[in-house]
Amino acid sequence: DVKVTQSSRYLVKRTGEKVFLECVQDMDHENMFWYRQDPGLGLRLIYFSYDVKMKEKGDIPEGYSVSREKKERFSLILESASTNQTSMYLCASSYPFGLADTDTQYFGPGTRLTVL
Amino acid sequence: LAKTTQPISMDSYEGQEVNITCSHNNIATNDYITWYQQFPSQGPRFIIQGYKTKVTNEVASLFIPADRKSSTLSLPRVSLSDTAVYYCLVVVNAGNNRKLIWGLGTSLAVNP
Repeated sequence: DVKVTQSSRYLVKRTGEKVFLECVQDMDHENMFWYRQDPGLGLRLIYFSYDVKMKEKGDIPEGYSVSREKKERFSLILESASTNQTSMYLCASSYPFGLADTDTQYFGPGTRLTVL
Repeated sequence: LAKTTQPISMDSYEGQEVNITCSHNNIATNDYITWYQQFPSQGPRFIIQGYKTKVTNEVASLFIPADRKSSTLSLPRVSLSDTAVYYCLVVVNAGNNRKLIWGLGTSLAVNP
């Protein structure tokens, strides 16, 4: 069974702090994703990685960076957290697009980040 | 650029069939449609995916008309446990990569 785990379920940080959100998947997936989810705005892609050390900006990359040093791990970094980054953050992984029968993304449980 | 539109909310009763439609103009023939289900405090979970016509699995059916400007997720005989938010996702080819276009989600409430 695919498992995507996220380092924290709940996190409270202060404005200006550097924040690390970590995601680990155990399916040897090439693709990994970071989303944020806000009421009424659905899922918005922040960054996408299709291989180790490879990344692409999603729809809302401003204020975020990512790191993928190992295939199974994808980190989201908020260099200087701001209150408007208070949100639910979801990590997902998948096989390369078009390779499997379905391009299923497997999601972690999410990290609810509050920036005070 | 493709955009996905789906109803914000729907209400149903146990045992009914529920159809949720997603509109997606400007998708190419090899762009596909995927639906996800999300319960509170959980990440979304894959339900079904298709390119055209009809796809059926053990939990749902997906109908895609010939013009591919919309798709309909069909949940047969819903139960209370089907109360969730349902997301439509269109994956489009954008040059050498893919672009993910998510709908804003449809909140389905199944009543006793």
